[in-house]
Amino acid sequence: QVQLLQSGAEVKKPGASVKVSCKTSGYTFTTYYMHWVRQAPGQGLEWMGIINPTGGTTRYAQRFQGRVTMTRDTSTRTVYMELISLTSEDTALYYCARGGHTDYDAFDVWGQGTMVTVFS
Amino acid sequence: EIVLTQSPGTLSLSPGERATLSCWASQSLTSSYLAWYQQKPGQAPRLLIYGASSRATGIPDRFSGSGSGTDFTLTISRLEPEDYAVYYCQQFGRTFGPGTKLEIK
Repeated sequence: QVQLLQSGAEVKKPGASVKVSCKTSGYTFTTYYMHWVRQAPGQGLEWMGIINPTGGTTRYAQRFQGRVTMTRDTSTRTVYMELISLTSEDTALYYCARGGHTDYDAFDVWGQGTMVTVFS
Repeated sequence: EIVLTQSPGTLSLSPGERATLSCWASQSLTSSYLAWYQQKPGQAPRLLIYGASSRATGIPDRFSGSGSGTDFTLTISRLEPEDYAVYYCQQFGRTFGPGTKLEIK
């Protein structure tokens, strides 16, 4: 079955960076877009960006431009999300979510989430 | 940027009742790209509806989606105990609405 397995929880200091991984299985890695979504404690869902696993092209939400980088490794079927210059406002649960064959499709499979806590 | 608004913020209903959740877009959407998700505490979101009205795999038929342009609706025909959750709409695989919390009355 399709699975997205994310890396474990992280605790970071302000100003640091974090890199979260999302290892996929159960489907053809290069035929589905992958998204990253975050959710601050008690808050709603916030879309961060998208990566095309075929060519590695990305598109980021404007508010994360310059701070986020999404990459992929086709040999391990893994996508990554790195966020730099962390502040306490980046404390959130970060999800990878599988999109569709187009970059506007809904997200049918989600990872379990990775909690990132930023505090000094 | 398209902004989604959901109403009501909180909906209190009893099991067996009908739930109607609304989602409005600041600009007209292509219906193909409006989705609904359900999220329970401590869980990742789950896709319910895509393309405004198509149920995702394994979703019971008491869930239905409708609407076009800027106005969309998620209807749960008869509430089951497991349906109490937060519901989000999403446009074009991008931004989400703020959510509607469905709670037991």
